[in-house]
Amino acid sequence: EAGVAQSPRYKIIEKRQSVAFWCNPISGHATLYWYQQILGQGPKLLIQFQNNGVVDDSQLPKDRFSAERLKGVDSTLKIQPAKLEDSAVYLCASSVTSLGVYNEQFFGPGTRLTVL
Amino acid sequence: GQSLEQPSEVTAVEGAIVQINCTYQTSGFYGLSWYQQHDGGAPTFLSYNALDGLEETGRFSSFLSRSDSYGYLLLQELQMKDSASYFCAVAGTGGFKTIFGAGTRLFVKA
Repeated sequence: EAGVAQSPRYKIIEKRQSVAFWCNPISGHATLYWYQQILGQGPKLLIQFQNNGVVDDSQLPKDRFSAERLKGVDSTLKIQPAKLEDSAVYLCASSVTSLGVYNEQFFGPGTRLTVL
Repeated sequence: GQSLEQPSEVTAVEGAIVQINCTYQTSGFYGLSWYQQHDGGAPTFLSYNALDGLEETGRFSSFLSRSDSYGYLLLQELQMKDSASYFCAVAGTGGFKTIFGAGTRLFVKA
């Protein structure tokens, strides 16, 4: 089966510019996650969707970051305006959703963002 | 708050056994998972422990003690390709919200 797709793979922008990332999860996976991974650190959960509803966005900097998942499939993550500290790899992951059961997360290749 | 602690680096010899420890502090806990990430790659799932005890999957085993808020990943018969970063992650409340540790970088030497 096809894996999690993300685009673009690389993006370089200047601070205060806007940027958007796209994710297409594995078919049939109801749960979708966006993570930010700064070099040398573990992935940090930004937002978690179940279908098109938000399960958790407590660590999403809502003054500049936004995310949506229309129709419960594809998702986009936007940063506006970008800051230098936003330079990181943005990972999208998806998992099957089962009540009361943890399911492994499948990660996409990520988008490496550099803010100059 | 929630936090996970794991060693930043571990070095071992090819063919040896290595254990990567993880201690956690969290307000809600369902289980502990482990992910592997090679440089430039995406994290890949290794194991998940919801109950106390040892789970074995091939050369990898994972252990959990809920009373001690502690777990470890055991890698046997180390191979050069095992050189990577290993993350422990707590699955917490709210739809199994996942909090990752900072990762342990494993270097396997010939």
